[in-house]
Amino acid sequence: DQQVKQNSPSLSVQEGRISILNCDYTNSMFDYFLWYKKYPAEGPTFLISISSIKDKNEDGRFTVFLNKSAKHLSLHIVPSQPGDSAVYFCAARPDRGSARQLTFGSGTQLTVLP
Amino acid sequence: DVKVTQSSRYLVKRTGEKVFLECVQDMDHENMFWYRQDPGLGLRLIYFSYDVKMKEKGDIPEGYSVSREKKERFSLILESASTNQTSMYLCASSHRRYGYTFGSGTRLTVV
Repeated sequence: DQQVKQNSPSLSVQEGRISILNCDYTNSMFDYFLWYKKYPAEGPTFLISISSIKDKNEDGRFTVFLNKSAKHLSLHIVPSQPGDSAVYFCAARPDRGSARQLTFGSGTQLTVLP
Repeated sequence: DVKVTQSSRYLVKRTGEKVFLECVQDMDHENMFWYRQDPGLGLRLIYFSYDVKMKEKGDIPEGYSVSREKKERFSLILESASTNQTSMYLCASSHRRYGYTFGSGTRLTVV
């Protein structure tokens, strides 16, 4: 049973437009959420995170929104650039307790068209 | 610059071979993790370790074992490689409950 779901395996967006990547989770114990970006033949790199005490976190062109009641988060990239083309993984873990491991979604391949 | 280094980028092994995947981190992180990445399945946790000589099973430990004799090194062992273990293997480390730093991955093909 996937506790973190990314239902769109792929997304294509025109350069300069907004990219919106979505993620849903089922485990109500999850309190801390992260997005990672992965290029082919490289390991994932950390992009942005959000704690459940917030509903928005912004870092440059990247903004993550969290809707706890819907158990949904989204990553917005504005404006999108061709270099943003990569696989994006959503990840989550409980903020309380001792668990340190992350649970990942299946990823969304973003393609930004020039 | 902090680093997680996986010893091999590409490996081809035969069915039934014992396979060792090595991971070394230079950040003095106490936590280390092994994931595999498969299309449509994302990153699935195989094993993790919070301390030297300590290991815990992740979501898909069957067919794998691990070794952590030193803090900086976490090895993944495929006891008898099978074709369904063909995958991208990713090692990661973290400090306390912070986010991960990943290695570049090892693409393993079992023939």
